[in-house]
Amino acid sequence: SAVISQKPSRDICQRGTSLTIQCQVDSQVTMMFWYRQQPGQSLTLIATANQGSEATYESGFVIDKFPISRPNLTFSTLTVSNMSPEDSSIYLCSVPGQVSYEQYFGPGTRLTVT
Amino acid sequence: GEDVEQSLFLSVREGDSSVINCTYTDSSSTYLYWYKQEPGAGLQLLTYIFSNMDMKQDQRLTVLLNKKDKHLSLRIADTQTGDSAIYFCAEGVTGGFKTIFGAGTRLFVKA
Repeated sequence: SAVISQKPSRDICQRGTSLTIQCQVDSQVTMMFWYRQQPGQSLTLIATANQGSEATYESGFVIDKFPISRPNLTFSTLTVSNMSPEDSSIYLCSVPGQVSYEQYFGPGTRLTVT
Repeated sequence: GEDVEQSLFLSVREGDSSVINCTYTDSSSTYLYWYKQEPGAGLQLLTYIFSNMDMKQDQRLTVLLNKKDKHLSLRIADTQTGDSAIYFCAEGVTGGFKTIFGAGTRLFVKA
């Protein structure tokens, strides 16, 4: 299994500012995923981050709002830009496991925008 | 479109069985999953079932799949207070990268 850590674990931010969330994995992985979990709602995939290429964004998510970096095979960042209260969510990073049905999740970053 | 639905809350007494239900829409799903999320922790894969199976048992956990009705359930036998968590139903195709999650069922276990 993969051990995933995220920083910060939580933050309270002002409207209009940006926050960068870090995700660190204890092993090298080709793909990393960023999800959003809005209050009382399901997890929604934001984007897939491959090392050495541009992230692939899901419908409804754009690079200007959620820029992603993937500088190496164990690390990624997600920035939530120009935040509004609607961005208040838990943001989780995830990596696939060794077998096709496995997926591992980080502990999440709880973001509150005031 | 793809959708996974589950009830938001379930309350049981310690020692009783818990049954969490889920419906999904994508008939091409290869895998159906149950994840557990404890406070402050990430999602933990609890169990999964291949779409060509009807049932899977793993210690206190029993997963039932009715593919015709697109209905998935998770039964936890002898529920303990440590089972209190949010349980997410999810569906995915091979590769797991387009996993679609439900909103989660919050299980309360009363001592």
